[in-house]
Amino acid sequence: GEDVEQSLFLSVREGDSSVINCTYTDSSSTYLYWYKQEPGAGLQLLTYIFSNMDMKQDQRLTVLLNKKDKHLSLRIADTQTGDSAIYFCAENRNGANNLFFGTGTRLTVIP
Amino acid sequence: NAGVMQNPRHLVRRRGQEARLRCSPMKGHSHVYWYRQLPEEGLKFMVYLQKENIIDESGMPKERFSAEFPKEGPSILRIQQVVRGDSAAYFCASSPPGTGEIYGYTFGSGTRLTVV
Repeated sequence: GEDVEQSLFLSVREGDSSVINCTYTDSSSTYLYWYKQEPGAGLQLLTYIFSNMDMKQDQRLTVLLNKKDKHLSLRIADTQTGDSAIYFCAENRNGANNLFFGTGTRLTVIP
Repeated sequence: NAGVMQNPRHLVRRRGQEARLRCSPMKGHSHVYWYRQLPEEGLKFMVYLQKENIIDESGMPKERFSAEFPKEGPSILRIQQVVRGDSAAYFCASSPPGTGEIYGYTFGSGTRLTVV
């Protein structure tokens, strides 16, 4: 399909792990990104992964990439209330300069 | 080192008026991108500019929308004769030359346009 797909909502309890999933569209996308958007704010780059990698870990964040299925996931360990936000995955198709974004997953952390 | 600066943060226009949105990229960044976010949707690419050049405007509506990035001053996204469907958040991002796809793009806080 044409669209980068994400589930719209995810709720987790504080201290649990969150897993946000994304299906992207272009197997030739060289970089895949996760952005975080807090209410009324712009997008903050959380992490990115190069397409020849399967996994990338950065403190509480783990990114998994399955190129065969064009599936990307973001795991947040020990989720905190400050992690409540909308999380967007994005790809740069054909190595283009612009990014294609998913619709975002709204993560709600329950204290 | 200030981030990407967008102004105004909020803009209200009546149908038929013009909207001008400004974006000053991060220092040292010569590439500017404009994205639009409709309510409850992801960001959609509109246009990619370098100083005095439009590189890719494949996401721009064919009419009423224009963008520029002059040699001096901020990038401007201009919407003429606004309609209710133009109500959205408009985000600007910037990157250094040649590395945006590697390190990602730095986004501003956006301009929220409301057409009444």
